Amino acid sequence: DAKTTQPNSMESNEEEPVHLPCNHSTISGTDYIHWYRQLPSQGPEYVIHGLTSNVNNRMASLAIAEDRKSSTLILHRATLRDAAVYYCILRPSSNSGYALNFGKGTSLLVTP
Amino acid sequence: SQTIHQWPATLVQPVGSPLSLECTVEGTSNPNLYWYRQAAGRGLQLLFYSVGIGQISSEVPQNLSASRPQDRQFILSSKKLLLSDSGFYLCAWSVRLGFYSNQPQHFGDGTRLSIL
Repeated sequence: DAKTTQPNSMESNEEEPVHLPCNHSTISGTDYIHWYRQLPSQGPEYVIHGLTSNVNNRMASLAIAEDRKSSTLILHRATLRDAAVYYCILRPSSNSGYALNFGKGTSLLVTP
Repeated sequence: SQTIHQWPATLVQPVGSPLSLECTVEGTSNPNLYWYRQAAGRGLQLLFYSVGIGQISSEVPQNLSASRPQDRQFILSSKKLLLSDSGFYLCAWSVRLGFYSNQPQHFGDGTRLSIL
């Protein structure tokens, strides 16, 4: 699978927007960009995914660069509950394995 | 809506004892099912996945086995636990759409297993 690069940690104030970046310069044309997050002592939680166009759901927005070599997960108003490790993962659309390859992710700290 | 249940939440077992962790999914049919392990301070490692009843694929050689006796039930077992089996065990499911593997996976709350 193509590799992703994320900052180790980020900090945000509560109720402010958060932009979590992810670089994936070796992404292939059929790779989907997935985001998951893991709260302390819990299983990972699916957040959002996309291919080329920006995506919005109730949890977040995903902004994908035109060349697809980077993407940004946007939390519009951070809450204390959003403090978690956020993982950016590339998933091929064809059958090339079922494992989700979680890297180290970005640890998001939200302060009141 | 779909839900996934794992139990127990925590488990302390002596070395050499057997293990059985159960996972069930509700609100969906014919899901793909997965068992992952997360060792302390490390990433998730896929142990097993299943695309149907009785169909189990192993990703890594190990001391564990998995079974899928019913469509929405996935069981992780061991006959004799090792110290290295300690970790956080997570069950997940995804929609099965042919060979496409880009469907999101939805995780349970996990079982924290400590081997003494």
